[in-house]
Amino acid sequence: KAGVTQTPRYLIKTRGQQVTLSCSPISGHRSVSWYQQTPGQGLQFLFEYFSETQRNKGNFPGRFSGRQFSNSRSEMNVSTLELGDSALYLCASSNEAWGGTTEAFFGQGTRLTVV
Amino acid sequence: EDQVTQSPEALRLQEGESSSLNCSYTVSGLRGLFWYRQDPGKGPEFLFTLYSAGEEKEKERLKATLTKKESFLHITAPKPEDSATYLCAVASGGSYIPTFGRGTSLIVHP
Repeated sequence: KAGVTQTPRYLIKTRGQQVTLSCSPISGHRSVSWYQQTPGQGLQFLFEYFSETQRNKGNFPGRFSGRQFSNSRSEMNVSTLELGDSALYLCASSNEAWGGTTEAFFGQGTRLTVV
Repeated sequence: EDQVTQSPEALRLQEGESSSLNCSYTVSGLRGLFWYRQDPGKGPEFLFTLYSAGEEKEKERLKATLTKKESFLHITAPKPEDSATYLCAVASGGSYIPTFGRGTSLIVHP
């Protein structure tokens, strides 16, 4: 059974640019959550999508957005990149809404560096 | 607001030296407590889910326990390959999305 796949693995962008990250969840899983991980803040929740609907959103500016497709694949977009957006972006997949009684499985992450 | 505190922040052990990691939490109605292991530059790897006080789960050299205020991850006779950051997260009725602790960085020396 394939795990959670995130692409690309590494990305270098310039301040002001925008970026799109992709996440393919485990087959059959309908929930995809996104997290930002930095040494200073740890794992911070961005948003969660379940059956193409955003169910929850963390405390991030509107520059961070996402969507989920009918096949459960999800994309996350960050516009007008800032140096502080440099982080490991993680996607988590679960077969019911995250935060219930089921665990989530993480991808390897996308390492974004903003220069 | 849910709060999760992990201690210690860092732990160095000799191979074979057993120890425990702590995860203290404050939530309104625990729905689940999750333990993950994370290697540098990789995504967290799921280890355990605990749902109610008194519950215990084991996997190889790891054993997770849960009380009403905290969870422990016991590591018995650790090996160098157990070196990683261990993350704890809680899901509650008050905060639907799990809140993660900052993690404990474990290094096991041969």
